Amino acid sequence: DAKTTQPTSMDCAEGRAANLPCNHSTISGNEYVYWYRQIHSQGPQYIIHGLKNNETNEMASLIITEDRKSSTLILPHATLRDTAVYYCIVLLGGGADGLTFGKGTHLIIQP
Amino acid sequence: DAGVIQSPRHEVTEMGQEVTLRCKPISGHDYLFWYRQTMMRGLELLIYFNNNVPIDDSGMPEDRFSAKMPNASFSTLKIQPSEPRDSAVYFCASSNSLRAWGFFGPGTRLTVL
Repeated sequence: DAKTTQPTSMDCAEGRAANLPCNHSTISGNEYVYWYRQIHSQGPQYIIHGLKNNETNEMASLIITEDRKSSTLILPHATLRDTAVYYCIVLLGGGADGLTFGKGTHLIIQP
Repeated sequence: DAGVIQSPRHEVTEMGQEVTLRCKPISGHDYLFWYRQTMMRGLELLIYFNNNVPIDDSGMPEDRFSAKMPNASFSTLKIQPSEPRDSAVYFCASSNSLRAWGFFGPGTRLTVL
């Protein structure tokens, strides 16, 4: 039972901003939006998470719409090393139940 | 910190054999998770522990799978007997208290012939 919808794949030119969308129209008030990525042959890596306010860290920015039904992960200056599968995950605050990964978006950074 | 450590990194075995995967979580983390990744099913949570106690094992596929955490610095996932459909990459992750942003290990690629 997928809680999120993401495009299967996206391309982005190196040095440009990569904007990855995620729809989560059934999100409830106490569920957070998490983003992870998985580079080929590695374990998933945490990127960022948020509840309703926009968030920024050293890796990315997260923009959540006011109705919280969708969000966008922004990689401000994509590099070739950002090529990976990006997962948008919705779960309750603590997340102690573990993560449920969907299919994710395969982001390909083009030189 | 060395991060989450998993061993072996690769395992090839024959159907019917016992397989044991090992994980050392990050020191101080009190949650440990086992995941499995296949092309068909993606990443699936198998089981997780809190303070060495199994909390939810509903993701464990069948009785052939078992997991233990004898102490805070070590966990095992055992498959006995193994079958070809168990071939996958198995990830261990740990986290500090109630934080979903667990740190994942490099994974163990299991091939059952």
